[in-house]
Amino acid sequence: DTEVTQTPKHLVMGMTNKKSLKCEQHMGHRAMYWYKQKAKKPPELMFVYSYEKLSINESVPSRFSPECPNSSLLNLHLHALQPEDSALYLCASSRVGSTEIQPQHFGDGTRLSIL
Amino acid sequence: DAKTTQPTSMDCAEGRAANLPCNHSTISGNEYVYWYRQIHSQGPQYIIHGLKNNETNEMASLIITEDRKSSTLILPHATLRDTAVYYCIVHNYGQNFVFGPGTRLSVLP
Repeated sequence: DTEVTQTPKHLVMGMTNKKSLKCEQHMGHRAMYWYKQKAKKPPELMFVYSYEKLSINESVPSRFSPECPNSSLLNLHLHALQPEDSALYLCASSRVGSTEIQPQHFGDGTRLSIL
Repeated sequence: DAKTTQPTSMDCAEGRAANLPCNHSTISGNEYVYWYRQIHSQGPQYIIHGLKNNETNEMASLIITEDRKSSTLILPHATLRDTAVYYCIVHNYGQNFVFGPGTRLSVLP
């Protein structure tokens, strides 16, 4: 069982749809992350939130819109996605370190398919 | 780009120690070495990290060479559930976290 919960586990959407991915953690972590993982590839960092503020955006297209409404929740809003955006989307959380990045706890991801 | 090189794949017999090498010859003085693994259909799982000294926890041991240019992750008694992709990551606070291709470890019965 994972301490980071992602919903839904699977999502199929058309290119004109709007949907959201949700991530929740109750470990008191104040850093949260979104990663994208294509099949047989390593995860790639998309966004980092620290104390509910966006601190890193890895040049992600605007059709992906993150939101951190509170310290336990992280959303990824999706709009007008392309077939190449089909992937596993992973959420992670960690404590905020002062000298080293703290271990990240990952959810099991949302598998997204764009038709 | 990832700053590490790892074997693409390795096999290990069940019950034996699995020794996974990682080369990070360009590591700088304040960069840590992290290890994560990803079991099929799951998210990555943190294993261990270190700066200079060897580290051990309930999952594994991390051996870092004195010049810090390479490290080895040791799973002392591998089980079938340890079959996964193992990622070695070199990271400095303030940088972005970059996963390399990793090593696919197969534990064989």
